[in-house]
Amino acid sequence: DAMVIQNPRYQVTQFGKPVTLSCSQTLNHNVMYWYQQKSSQAPKLLFHYYDKDFNNEADTPDNFQSRRPNTSFCFLDIRSPGLGDAAMYLCATSPVILHQETQYFGPGTRLLVL
Amino acid sequence: AQKVTQAQTEISVVEKEDVTLDCVYETRDTTYYLFWYKQPPSGELVFLIRRNSFDEQNEISGRYSWNFQKSTSSFNFTITASQVVDSAVYFCALSEAPGGADGLTFGKGTHLIIQP
Repeated sequence: DAMVIQNPRYQVTQFGKPVTLSCSQTLNHNVMYWYQQKSSQAPKLLFHYYDKDFNNEADTPDNFQSRRPNTSFCFLDIRSPGLGDAAMYLCATSPVILHQETQYFGPGTRLLVL
Repeated sequence: AQKVTQAQTEISVVEKEDVTLDCVYETRDTTYYLFWYKQPPSGELVFLIRRNSFDEQNEISGRYSWNFQKSTSSFNFTITASQVVDSAVYFCALSEAPGGADGLTFGKGTHLIIQP
């Protein structure tokens, strides 16, 4: 019954080695988001897709990219992970229904960079 | 610019006590949404409530209640008769995108510890 699914739950990568995190949804929501949450901090929005339209936050490093091949799936690519990229990465989805917009989060992928 | 302030970094109470988590927000928009999320140690952000800016009615859901006051820009969350399972980090968040897809602006969170 999981509605927002993230795989894997834990990911270990090496410094500089590209890594991809995945997110899928069964809610058929228009919008998918990626947030980064470092230890003891609030989640920080990296970017989001409104259908196929990509919206990057101004302060998101170029090292972070995203793909959304269809409504259900969205990927986060980290081209050259640094030690500072170790964090929890949270995917969220939201419908675009006026006054009913609510973001629903997946369980997150915890990334460790060695 | 939008901003959410959760002044309480950590609260510790004994089980069965009532506890209130404070949230103060800033926005220039007349239409906006406020949220509370719970983040247990597993890490998943669990949606608790959304309140639209034009609906100031307070809400109660079991042991949880929310007090929304536009006059003081506050959206406080009260847990009555707290339980150990309520232990988590609680985030208040704001969105200014009616009909759109804006991201959430989160407060820094309040770590709630319920001691048995």
